[in-house]
Amino acid sequence: ELKVEQNPLFLSMQEGKNYTIYCNYSTTSDRLYWYRQDPGKSLESLFVLLSNGAVKQEGRLMASLDTKARLSTLHITAAVHDLSATYFCAVDAGGTSYGKLTFGQGTILTVHP
Amino acid sequence: GAGVSQSPSNKVTEKGKDVELRCDPISGHTALYWYRQSLGQGLEFLIYFQGNSAPDKSGLPSDRFSAERTGGSVSTLTIQRTQQEDSAVYLCASSPGQRQETQYFGPGTRLLVL
Repeated sequence: ELKVEQNPLFLSMQEGKNYTIYCNYSTTSDRLYWYRQDPGKSLESLFVLLSNGAVKQEGRLMASLDTKARLSTLHITAAVHDLSATYFCAVDAGGTSYGKLTFGQGTILTVHP
Repeated sequence: GAGVSQSPSNKVTEKGKDVELRCDPISGHTALYWYRQSLGQGLEFLIYFQGNSAPDKSGLPSDRFSAERTGGSVSTLTIQRTQQEDSAVYLCASSPGQRQETQYFGPGTRLLVL
């Protein structure tokens, strides 16, 4: 059974600081997704990582994938208040389970002035 | 264009009643997914449709849960004899239907079983 673990689960940051959220998964996959969720809202797609070594960047967020280590990271650069949200990674195990995403627990990010 | 829509946005029901939740995917998307989000269990996969077929129903928690999709578009998730543990946000997502694609999520239906 595929398991996906994120850490930390809670992250309180000061504006302007950098930090990284980690996403580990238990079985082979080359398809990993990052989503953002604001309180009371649905999931917004941030990144799709489809191969070993993939790196994607959008604004202050950068995501990477190491399929050999079964690890993805979401790096936050010079955090701003607008980045406060819950961030989820999700893994598609593929094969007969294609399309079935297994999500991490989510990381609640709060950015303080 | 329009995104994934779901109805109702909120539903309060009494234990033992049946409920139907509706999902309208993005036009042209052949793949449709149902997930459930609750405080205790996080985000859980329920069922996946490709066209009108459901190749993966592995996430449905019990036989009280069923889903169908008609015309390759609208999907309905039905929960019979609701229980309090069914209280959750039910999220629908769709994608164009090819591998390695982003799933686009709807706003969800918040279900409360009293």
